[in-house]
Amino acid sequence: GDSVTQTEGLVTLTEGLPVMLNCTYQSTYSPFLFWYVQHLNEAPKLLLKSFTDNKRPEHQGFHATLHKSSSSFHLQKSSAQLSDSALYYCALSYSNNRIFFGDGTQLVVKP
Amino acid sequence: GALVYQYPRRTICKSGTSMRMECQAVGFQATSVAWYRQSPQKTFELIALSTVNSAIKYEQNFTQEKFPISHPNLSFSSMTVLNAYLEDRGLYLCGARGQENTEVFFGKGTRLTVV
Repeated sequence: GDSVTQTEGLVTLTEGLPVMLNCTYQSTYSPFLFWYVQHLNEAPKLLLKSFTDNKRPEHQGFHATLHKSSSSFHLQKSSAQLSDSALYYCALSYSNNRIFFGDGTQLVVKP
Repeated sequence: GALVYQYPRRTICKSGTSMRMECQAVGFQATSVAWYRQSPQKTFELIALSTVNSAIKYEQNFTQEKFPISHPNLSFSSMTVLNAYLEDRGLYLCGARGQENTEVFFGKGTRLTVV
């Protein structure tokens, strides 16, 4: 079946260090992949979306590359900021509008 | 810009009673509306997906009899939790999108507490 796996429930790191949040997926067809970020008491917001032409989406210093061979869409940032502390969800979507979310990764950035 | 409003933000209901929550899309036409429940562990459960001109599709473990949904136009959807019990507690999120494979805009959710 279709699913999204985020292996880390909690990632804690020091400000300035690189960030990498894992996301792998299983899908029947070629899906679109998304990263959503949810800050405390806020709505989830789109951070990144995969492209169909192998471009690497980037936003707010974050980037992710869709690797179909390994079914991965890991989220990366070269230098973490305190304001990056939030819940991050990887999600998979098809044209039928159903979206599957991973269980989320809580990122905590410490000074 | 595109925004989604949900209300009420918080509600408390007695066990066995029902409560209705609403979702309003502003700045875009919500051709597709999905209702999710976010558990205390922060995982998302898809309850149902409503697409204009299609029947509402409920996920396993969720039924129309328990979570009736209305999606009467391209800017509004509502969902009722009937006969709420403790296991229905959580944050109910509405996610709306305009076109296929575009961004889903979420509301801040309705937090349901059952006492």
